This record gives sequence, structure tokens and C-alpha cells, in this order.
Amino acid sequence: DVKVTQSSRYLVKRTGEKVFLECVQDMDHENMFWYRQDPGLGLRLIYFSYDVKMKEKGDIPEGYSVSREKKERFSLILESASTNQTSMYLCASTSGLHPPTDTQYFGPGTRLTVL
Amino acid sequence: AQSVAQPEDQVNVAEGNPLTVKCTYSVSGNPYLFWYVQYPNRGLQFLLKYITGDNLVKGSYGFEAEFNKSQTSFHLKKPSALVSDSALYFCAVRENTGGFKTIFGAGTRLFVKA
Repeated sequence: DVKVTQSSRYLVKRTGEKVFLECVQDMDHENMFWYRQDPGLGLRLIYFSYDVKMKEKGDIPEGYSVSREKKERFSLILESASTNQTSMYLCASTSGLHPPTDTQYFGPGTRLTVL
Repeated sequence: AQSVAQPEDQVNVAEGNPLTVKCTYSVSGNPYLFWYVQYPNRGLQFLLKYITGDNLVKGSYGFEAEFNKSQTSFHLKKPSALVSDSALYFCAVRENTGGFKTIFGAGTRLFVKA
């Protein structure tokens, strides 16, 4: 079974802090994604990566950056956390064998609160 | 542009009764359609997907979904609901243009009452 893990389940940070969210997958997947989940809005794509050191912006990249130095690890960085970034953050991966039909495998999520 | 609509925020059903969670979509070409489920304090889990072929797709935990091209719908169904099916359900669509981008619906919360 594919396993996607996220470094924290719950995180509380203060406004202006730099925040790192880590995601690791163990199935040698090519593609990794960061979403945020908000009630009534579903999942919105922040960034994705289709290879090591490669990244593309999603629908809501403002205020976020990402890093993928190793294939199995994809980090989301909030350079200066703000209260409107309080949300559930979900990491996902896909094999990349056939991108349009690949199933996404999700981590358990990190619930971030910015005070 | 791609879009997904889940018209019901919440669906309530009694245990043992059939359930339906509705989803409609809009894409410019042929769609790839997915259903995911999220249990409390967990990530999303894959239930089933439609790629091509038979319009009735069977998935995990006894769920199935019917693809209707003329109505641009992909409703999730189960013949007999269980209390343990109570969760948040997401419909998602991807265009068959070779891309990575998935559009998710807002989610429908299913309550199954004993």
C-alpha cells in the first residue's frame, strides 16, 4: 500500500512565523501535490511537482512556496504565516504513469492554526 | 474551464436504505471522474474512478457510481447504507488532455442514522 505521511497532524503558529510542512511518500511516485481544504470550498491546489526540483503553481500559490530536493519528499513553506492561512493542508502523490487517470494518494493532513 | 458541482451540502439517510450523493461536472473534452471519501481527522481515500467503458463503476466498500454523459453527472450510490459510511465525500474531475490538474467539488457530508 502507498503510504503518504505528513510531519504534523496539528500545528499552531503565530502571525509572521515561517512555517514548514513536510510530506513523504514511500512508493517512488513522480508527482506530488499540496492542497488546502476549507469548508464549502473543497480542495484547492497550491503547488505541485512532477519531478525533483520541478514545481508548478496551482490555483492559490500566493503566500506559499515549495521545495522538492528528493523524490520522496515535498515541503510546503509559508514564508510569513497569516491568519487567513489557517486551514487543513493535504499532501498527495500519484505514480505519474498516466497522469490523467492516476489515482491520488493522500496523507492524513495537517491542521494549521495561525494566531 | 473545468468545474465540479455537488449540489447537496449534506445528505441524511437511514441505515439500510439506499443512498445517493450527487455530482455534476463541466469539462471541455472527455472527463476522468473520481470519488474520494474523508473520515473524521483523516486524509482522503480513493473510492472509485471512471476512465472509459462501462458507465457503471464499482468501487470500495460497496459503493458504485454511474457516469451519465448526456446529463454530465457522476452520482455515487450504495444499495444499503451503513452508519460507518458517515463521512465527507468529494467528487473530482480531470480532463483527458494529459494534465495533472484535478478539480474537486466542495464536498457532501453524509449522515447515516441507525
